[in-house]
Amino acid sequence: DQQVKQNSPSLSVQEGRISILNCDYTNSMFDYFLWYKKYPAEGPTFLISISSIKDKNEDGRFTVFLNKSAKHLSLHIVPSQPGDSAVYFCAANLPGGYQKVTFGTGTKLQVIP
Amino acid sequence: KAGVTQTPRYLIKTRGQQVTLSCSPISGHRSVSWYQQTPGQGLQFLFEYFSETQRNKGNFPGRFSGRQFSNSRSEMNVSTLELGDSALYLCASSLVGAVNEKLFFGSGTQLSVL
Repeated sequence: DQQVKQNSPSLSVQEGRISILNCDYTNSMFDYFLWYKKYPAEGPTFLISISSIKDKNEDGRFTVFLNKSAKHLSLHIVPSQPGDSAVYFCAANLPGGYQKVTFGTGTKLQVIP
Repeated sequence: KAGVTQTPRYLIKTRGQQVTLSCSPISGHRSVSWYQQTPGQGLQFLFEYFSETQRNKGNFPGRFSGRQFSNSRSEMNVSTLELGDSALYLCASSLVGAVNEKLFFGSGTQLSVL
């Protein structure tokens, strides 16, 4: 049972345009969400996070939006750069307790120069 | 500050064998967690350790086990290997393993079971 879903396995975007990566979740108890980026032959690296008490969080070119009623979050990258080409994982955590992160299956972003 | 170190980088084993993977967390990090990555499945949580105690466990069979040492280094063991265990095994560390902490991942151990 995939509780965090990334329905688009891949996405291609022109350099300079906006990249929008989507993520849906089924467990309404999730209250902390993160995005990680992964290059080939490397481990994932943290990109940005958002708590369920917020609906938007920005960090430079990266913005994450959370729509709790729709159980949906999205990552916007503006402007997209060739170095952003990677696999992006959406992840979610339950409140309380300790780390037991549920990850999505990933979206491979290709930014075309 | 050195990152998370995982050894070995690659492993080839045959069915029925067992394997031990090692992870050294970032200095000062006391929480270590393990994930399995397979194509189409994303990252699946295996277990999390803190102060030598397993605090959380994912939905994996008992063939998958782990431990943590007093210096926070961790090992995971897979016994009686099956073909389906072929995957990238990732270790991640954080300061105390709180749910709002970001994880720092190693580069992983690529296990191939023949």
